[in-house]
Amino acid sequence: EAGVAQSPRYKIIEKRQSVAFWCNPISGHATLYWYQQILGQGPKLLIQFQNNGVVDDSQLPKDRFSAERLKGVDSTLKIQPAKLEDSAVYLCASSSRIGEDEQYFGPGTRLTVT
Amino acid sequence: GNSVTQMEGPVTLSEEAFLTINCTYTATGYPSLFWYVQYPGEGLQLLLKATKADDKGSNKGFEATYRKETTSFHLEKGSVQVSDSAVYFCASRAGGTSYGKLTFGQGTILTVHP
Repeated sequence: EAGVAQSPRYKIIEKRQSVAFWCNPISGHATLYWYQQILGQGPKLLIQFQNNGVVDDSQLPKDRFSAERLKGVDSTLKIQPAKLEDSAVYLCASSSRIGEDEQYFGPGTRLTVT
Repeated sequence: GNSVTQMEGPVTLSEEAFLTINCTYTATGYPSLFWYVQYPGEGLQLLLKATKADDKGSNKGFEATYRKETTSFHLEKGSVQVSDSAVYFCASRAGGTSYGKLTFGQGTILTVHP
């Protein structure tokens, strides 16, 4: 079974530029999560999808971050414009259903904003 | 809101030493508790879990017991190996409107020397 795929693995941009990350969850997984992991901290949930609907986006900075999950499969997370404090690893995870104990994580995208 | 606090790291041990990584939580109600591990170059993966008080989660020689009276979920292993070197994250998941959302601790880096 293929795991959660993310791309790119690394991205360096200047502040005020825009960037997008892509996630392909495990096939058949209805629930998809985006986390932000700042160096030295644990992951923090940004947004959670159930199929193509948003379940929780309470910690998503909506003035600059957006996410979508068209057709309930792949998802993209966008930052526009980026700030220095957005430097972090962005993790995508999926689970077979909402409330499922195990979330399966992708390798993450390391973003550096200069 | 929910929060998870892990012991300060990093932790450096010799092979076959005893390991304890402390984790305490605050939550309303009775959360489920997890330990995730991140090996170098890999994504986070579930190590063990406990869903109610006094449950013991175990996997790969690691154990953790859900202690409601002390709001703790300490990770232990009797004899660590070099291959256990990784970052360990304690996490909680509450029900209700946060169903599915994981709250992570800051992570503890473990290095095991031969």
